[in-house]
Amino acid sequence: ELKVEQNPLFLSMQEGKNYTIYCNYSTTSDRLYWYRQDPGKSLESLFVLLSNGAVKQEGRLMASLDTKARLSTLHITAAVHDLSATYFCAVLLVPGGGADGLTFGKGTHLIIQP
Amino acid sequence: EPEVTQTPSHQVTQMGQEVILRCVPISNHLYFYWYRQILGQKVEFLVSFYNNEISEKSEIFDDQFSVERPDGSNFTLKIRSTKLEDSAMYFCASTPGTGNTEAFFGQGTRLTVV
Repeated sequence: ELKVEQNPLFLSMQEGKNYTIYCNYSTTSDRLYWYRQDPGKSLESLFVLLSNGAVKQEGRLMASLDTKARLSTLHITAAVHDLSATYFCAVLLVPGGGADGLTFGKGTHLIIQP
Repeated sequence: EPEVTQTPSHQVTQMGQEVILRCVPISNHLYFYWYRQILGQKVEFLVSFYNNEISEKSEIFDDQFSVERPDGSNFTLKIRSTKLEDSAMYFCASTPGTGNTEAFFGQGTRLTVV
């Protein structure tokens, strides 16, 4: 059974600081996804990481994937209040298996304080 | 921008009643999914649907649940004889398939069983 573990599950940080969210998964997969969820809202796709060593950046967020370590990171640079949300990583079990569902981590609830 | 749309946004039903949640996936997508998120918890895969049949389903998706695509555009989730523990946010998602597995999520239907 695929397990996806995120840490921390809760993070309170100040604006301007840097921090990293970690996502470990238990079986081989080369497709990892990061989603953002605002309270009561849907899931917004942030990054799709498709291969070992993949790194993607969008604004103050940068995601990376190490398939050998089965680890992805989401790095926040110089955090701003608007980034407050819950961040989920999710793993597709079968590479290229379009019909397979995603297995999600529990999410990291991020609060950025002025 | 194309999006996945779900109706209703909120459904309240009495325990034991049947509910149908509706979704219109993005028009050229091939794979369709239902996920649920119990309040404050992680997103859980229920079922995937491809080529007019169920492709994968999780342990959660038991005989109480069914899906269909009745008219080529709508994708429905039926829950028979609802239980209190079925209360959750239900998300529909779709992916283009053919190597692109990025899932686009609808805004969700909040189901409350009373």
